[in-house]
Amino acid sequence: GIQVEQSPPDLILQEGANSTLRCNFSDSVNNLQWFHQNPWGQLINLFYIPSGTKQNGRLSATTVATERYSLLYISSSQTTDSGVYFCAVLANAGGTSYGKLTFGQGTILTVHP
Amino acid sequence: DGGITQSPKYLFRKEGQNVTLSCEQNLNHDAMYWYRQDPGQGLRLIYYSQIVNDFQKGDIAEGYSVSREKKESFPLTVTSAQKNPTAFYLCASTPKAKVVGTGGAYSNTEAFFGQGTRLTVV
Repeated sequence: GIQVEQSPPDLILQEGANSTLRCNFSDSVNNLQWFHQNPWGQLINLFYIPSGTKQNGRLSATTVATERYSLLYISSSQTTDSGVYFCAVLANAGGTSYGKLTFGQGTILTVHP
Repeated sequence: DGGITQSPKYLFRKEGQNVTLSCEQNLNHDAMYWYRQDPGQGLRLIYYSQIVNDFQKGDIAEGYSVSREKKESFPLTVTSAQKNPTAFYLCASTPKAKVVGTGGAYSNTEAFFGQGTRLTVV
């Protein structure tokens, strides 16, 4: 099946710093999402971004589907950005992709005041 | 409000008991998923269902069972055969949409998650 690798596994920042999280995937995809898992375990949707670039406030994401990677940018980080960031993909199985949504292992982000 | 509701939020199971976790959605989504998360780990797929009365095993289906009798509901039963059931369980759903340029093929689109159920064996 499709493999999803996220890097770095851990990231520690001072408040105000910028960061880039990366998600590599091993096959073509119909669907790519970025999630933030808060301390209570809930997965918060950040971006649905199979291709192209999107921005939402201090966060932006870019997916280059042809090169099989996606980047999540966090600018001017805040302590509330701490948590785990997951990338998840749905493989493109010949145009009709009724398949598994596969997650990477996540990036643990800690932002210190 | 539209959304995905998982219940209960916390569940305690005795050794040898079966327990059922509830997942209900009123988003009219076609596909539903169950994931398991262990402390400090990522999400692993247990079962998924694309339509009513049909479901497929994920990567770690052993010791679990599901049903999909209604579009809105996808309950997960953790059986006594699951030797290490203590974990955080998350349910998700996704709508379908036509894939542009494929002549009519469909794909699942954006997934949304419930708040999870923490299961502990006592």
